[in-house]
Amino acid sequence: AIRMTQSPSSLSASTGDRVTITCRASQGISSYLAWYQQKPGKAPKLLIYAASTLQSGVPSRFSGSGSGTDFTLTISCLQSEDFATYYCQQYYSYPLFGPGTKVDIK
Amino acid sequence: EVQLVESGGGLVQPGGSLRLSCAASGFTFSSYSMNWVRQAPGKGLEWVSYISSSSSTIYYADSVKGRFTISRDNAKNSLYLQMNSLRAEDTAVYYCARGIAATDHAFDIWGQGTMVTVSS
Repeated sequence: AIRMTQSPSSLSASTGDRVTITCRASQGISSYLAWYQQKPGKAPKLLIYAASTLQSGVPSRFSGSGSGTDFTLTISCLQSEDFATYYCQQYYSYPLFGPGTKVDIK
Repeated sequence: EVQLVESGGGLVQPGGSLRLSCAASGFTFSSYSMNWVRQAPGKGLEWVSYISSSSSTIYYADSVKGRFTISRDNAKNSLYLQMNSLRAEDTAVYYCARGIAATDHAFDIWGQGTMVTVSS
């Protein structure tokens, strides 16, 4: 079975920072990877699919890259509304989410 | 407005049953695959089940296989999850989520969630 890991599990950052979150699959998943943002008490929001395709309406400061086993989500200039938990999800096989990365205020 | 609204959650005893519903509006429900995803309190996301647009293909996570049944009624724009033999570890917020057109298995529209608590 595929296993998903994310690093770091949490990070503290300031508004305006560049933030990078890494997601790793235990086996190759091509580009079958999505990224979601979730705020407390809210449903997840799709940011990116197919590893690098920005979902409609998502700000361009979000970007994704990678293929195979290693993927990154980058927020180029962190805004106050970006403090949240971020999940990667593979869909090469049955959907499986990573454990999440919490981004909070430094 | 594109919207999914879940209902049917609540408190149920271990071994009991519950049926969740998800009402869709603002899009052509019959054209999209649908999923259930759950989140235990303070935990991450767990995909539960998938149903194709025509109900011809259905998948379940191993953790619920044989106990949960997903179904849909395209005439009523509704998705369902019948949950039997419930266990304490099924306690979670349950979300219905739409599969995106480009690929069924990423989820672009989510409901607000309905809480299921399994406890005696």
